[in-house]
Amino acid sequence: EAQVTQNPRYLITVTGKKLTVTCSQNMNHEYMSWYRQDPGLGLRQIYYSMNVEVTDKGDVPEGYKVSRKEKRNFPLILESPSPNQTSLYFCASSPRAHSGGYNEQFFGPGTRLTVL
Amino acid sequence: AQSVTQPDIHITVSEGASLELRCNYSYGATPYLFWYVQSPGQGLQLLLKYFSGDTLVQGIKGFEAEFKRSQSSFNLRKPSVHWSDAAEYFCAVGATGFQKLVFGTGTRLLVSP
Repeated sequence: EAQVTQNPRYLITVTGKKLTVTCSQNMNHEYMSWYRQDPGLGLRQIYYSMNVEVTDKGDVPEGYKVSRKEKRNFPLILESPSPNQTSLYFCASSPRAHSGGYNEQFFGPGTRLTVL
Repeated sequence: AQSVTQPDIHITVSEGASLELRCNYSYGATPYLFWYVQSPGQGLQLLLKYFSGDTLVQGIKGFEAEFKRSQSSFNLRKPSVHWSDAAEYFCAVGATGFQKLVFGTGTRLLVSP
């Protein structure tokens, strides 16, 4: 089954304790993104990757890192989490689009993170 | 820069009544438009999308949306709401070149008996 998976689905941690949220897709997609969802703000892009070893900042990258060493995986790293990173996180992937075009993104189930 | 406005934070509709959720976008080129639904505690489900062609788009669960370029709008409609439609609805525009979605802030739909 074609899907985007995220782990863990729920995580409660404490300020400053490094954590990684994994994201994996089995559709051979080139593009992957991370979003965070906050009440009243909708979803905002954190980082994106257009292919292996190619990553760039989205709209709210502060406090996050990513890596793309393999095409299928795009982990989100919080080196020193803070309470303002408490949020619902979504990973998404899509195939490469032709110039000026766009392809639908496929979303993972979400990871609810609480930082105390 | 792209932006999406959903002017209604909350909407309450009686079960069986019609529904229209508003969405306005700002984007310089041809927009790629989406509506997603998020039930409580759940992930995002794609309701429908507009890429080109017929401006009236049919989606799942009986939803439809109409793209109006002159009004920069992509409103979501349903002729008869069911209690199970209570959820949060997000309109989004696809930003080409970055393959990202720019989301509105969402509209929470409440369905009264």
